[in-house]
Amino acid sequence: SQTIHQWPATLVQPVGSPLSLECTVEGTSNPNLYWYRQAAGRGLQLLFYSIGIDQISSEVPQNLSASRPQDRQFILSSKKLLLSDSGFYLCAWSRRGGSYEQYFGPGTRLTVT
Amino acid sequence: DQQVKQNSPSLSVQEGRISILNCDYTNSMFDYFLWYKKYPAEGPTFLISISSIKDKNEDGRFTVFLNKSAKHLSLHIVPSQPGDSAVYFCAAVHSNYQLIWGAGTKLIIKP
Repeated sequence: SQTIHQWPATLVQPVGSPLSLECTVEGTSNPNLYWYRQAAGRGLQLLFYSIGIDQISSEVPQNLSASRPQDRQFILSSKKLLLSDSGFYLCAWSRRGGSYEQYFGPGTRLTVT
Repeated sequence: DQQVKQNSPSLSVQEGRISILNCDYTNSMFDYFLWYKKYPAEGPTFLISISSIKDKNEDGRFTVFLNKSAKHLSLHIVPSQPGDSAVYFCAAVHSNYQLIWGAGTKLIIKP
């Protein structure tokens, strides 16, 4: 069966500090990968999606970036965090060329102080 | 531009009764829809989906109805149970890779 891991679960970082959130998927190959953010009381905002290594699309211009160093690893980064980067970050995967369902990790609660 | 709208931020239903969550969309090109359930501090979990070639899909206590002419879908939960208390999101498939999400409806099941 497939499993998606995200870490850390919670993170408190000062403004201006760097960020690195990691996501890995097990039990599947060549997944599509996604990073979402959920602000308090809001819906899900797609930040990045990737259909393969070195194939990453950004949906929202911001100070965040994403990388996919391995097929089943997806990393969300920032060089300098802003207060507005606070939120709940979710990684998800879906089958390439298969059904449309996306499967989510447990999320990371980021608080920028 | 909200292409998928969930106009009720919250809904309170008595345990054992039917819960009906609604979702409207604006893009007539959408042809596949999904419902997700989310507990606080957890990732959403997939519940049920429907293709535009159908007007109804059932899975146990959950049924999704699609009205293409009205660009409206609804999720029915019968009977409602305390564990159903969560935020429910509807989403439309925009492309093979992207889902367009509604803002969510918080369902509260009263004992």
